[in-house]
Amino acid sequence: DTEVTQTPKHLVMGMTNKKSLKCEQHMGHRAMYWYKQKAKKPPELMFVYSYEKLSINESVPSRFSPECPNSSLLNLHLHALQPEDSALYLCASSQKDRGWANEKLFFGSGTQLSVL
Amino acid sequence: GENVEQHPSTLSVQEGDSAVIKCTYSDSASNYFPWYKQELGKRPQLIIDIRSNVGEKKDQRIAVTLNKTAKHFSLHITETQPEDSAVYFCAASILGQNFVFGPGTRLSVLP
Repeated sequence: DTEVTQTPKHLVMGMTNKKSLKCEQHMGHRAMYWYKQKAKKPPELMFVYSYEKLSINESVPSRFSPECPNSSLLNLHLHALQPEDSALYLCASSQKDRGWANEKLFFGSGTQLSVL
Repeated sequence: GENVEQHPSTLSVQEGDSAVIKCTYSDSASNYFPWYKQELGKRPQLIIDIRSNVGEKKDQRIAVTLNKTAKHFSLHITETQPEDSAVYFCAASILGQNFVFGPGTRLSVLP
């Protein structure tokens, strides 16, 4: 299995809703990422998990809450989002062996999120 | 932090011609430079990458060159085909961490 799987593919939510995005990979990768991509823009890094521990938080508002239950799963919990948070949310993973990094980043197909 | 610039923002070429996209980076510590292709509505997919200890890498019709001194790297696509039409993103990272993407180039290959 060489894929990163994201669910749901599309999500529409109101500003008072709570929802979660899910990401799964079975490539044995130990680094997992959340990116946000606006239309016609590059992916912007939000969070990085390394060996199930949060290693990077790019000053993301607390209405986005990441969770890494195990080495194969990554969640992004959403609460009280704003319309400007509407975007494509991409999960990615990469192999990360202790002592050196295998750099290749594999992306999931993303969740297209619309906040009304 | 790292800053990656990319030019041109849009590029149109005739089928069969070559396309060149250039990126510059600011952090001399960056040592890994991947290129991603993103078709409309799809995920970014890695098409080629290069490490800082290599000056050039080629994979069939695609090649990447790196000039560490000038801090720039370029994507070369030869014999372009309509299916090469997509948005291309360059990126720079240190040891495969903290990927910073360029703003993207929209390539259109005209039949």
